[in-house]
Amino acid sequence: DTEVTQTPKHLVMGMTNKKSLKCEQHMGHRAMYWYKQKAKKPPELMFVYSYEKLSINESVPSRFSPECPNSSLLNLHLHALQPEDSALYLCASSQELAKNIQYFGAGTRLSVL
Amino acid sequence: GDSVTQMEGPVTLSEEAFLTINCTYTATGYPSLFWYVQYPGEGLQLLLKATKADDKGSNKGFEATYRKETTSFHLEKGSVQVSDSAVYFCALSNSWGKLQFGAGTQVVVTP
Repeated sequence: DTEVTQTPKHLVMGMTNKKSLKCEQHMGHRAMYWYKQKAKKPPELMFVYSYEKLSINESVPSRFSPECPNSSLLNLHLHALQPEDSALYLCASSQELAKNIQYFGAGTRLSVL
Repeated sequence: GDSVTQMEGPVTLSEEAFLTINCTYTATGYPSLFWYVQYPGEGLQLLLKATKADDKGSNKGFEATYRKETTSFHLEKGSVQVSDSAVYFCALSNSWGKLQFGAGTQVVVTP
C-alpha cells in the first residue's frame, strides 16, 4: 500500500478565514512534504519534515504554518491567504529524507476568494 | 544548482504511435532520477525510477535509461493509448532528498 490521503479534496476560503489541510500516511515513512502546484507548472516544495521535525522551509510566507503532530500525520494551517495562493496543494511522503521515492497524495485544490 | 530540462509540450500523437519525451539534468554527485505522471485533476504518480548509471526503469510499457555520459533520462513508450494522455514530469532527487522537477510535458493522444 503506497497511499497518501489528503483532505479535503476541495476548499474555498475567504481571505480572513482560518483553515487546515490534512495529510495522512500509514506506510511508516519518516519524511513528509508539502508542495504547491499552480496550473501548468511543476510542484514547488514548501516544507519538509523528517522524523516529525521541520527540516526544510523554502522561505514560505508565515500565513502558511505546517505541523507534524505524529509520524503519520501532516497538517498545513492556513490564515489570511491571498487570492494568488489559490493552487493545488500536494502532500508527499518517503521512507527517509534522502533519495527515496516520494509518494504523492491526490492533493487539495484551494481557492481563495 | 541542480536542474532538470525536459522538452516542451504539448506533444500530440495518434493512438499506437511511438512516444519519446527528452529529459536532461544537471546535478552534482549521483542523483536518483524519476518520471512522474499527473492525470487531469489528480496528484502525481510515480511512473518509473533509476538510481544509478545504466539503470533502466520500466513500468506500464514505459522505459527510461539513466545515461550518465549524456546526463539524460529520456522516456519512451512503443505504442501509446488514449489513456496515456497526461502531464509527464522528469525529476531528480539529490542527497538532501529534495525533488527537482522539470517543467512538465503535456501528452495528448488522439483516437
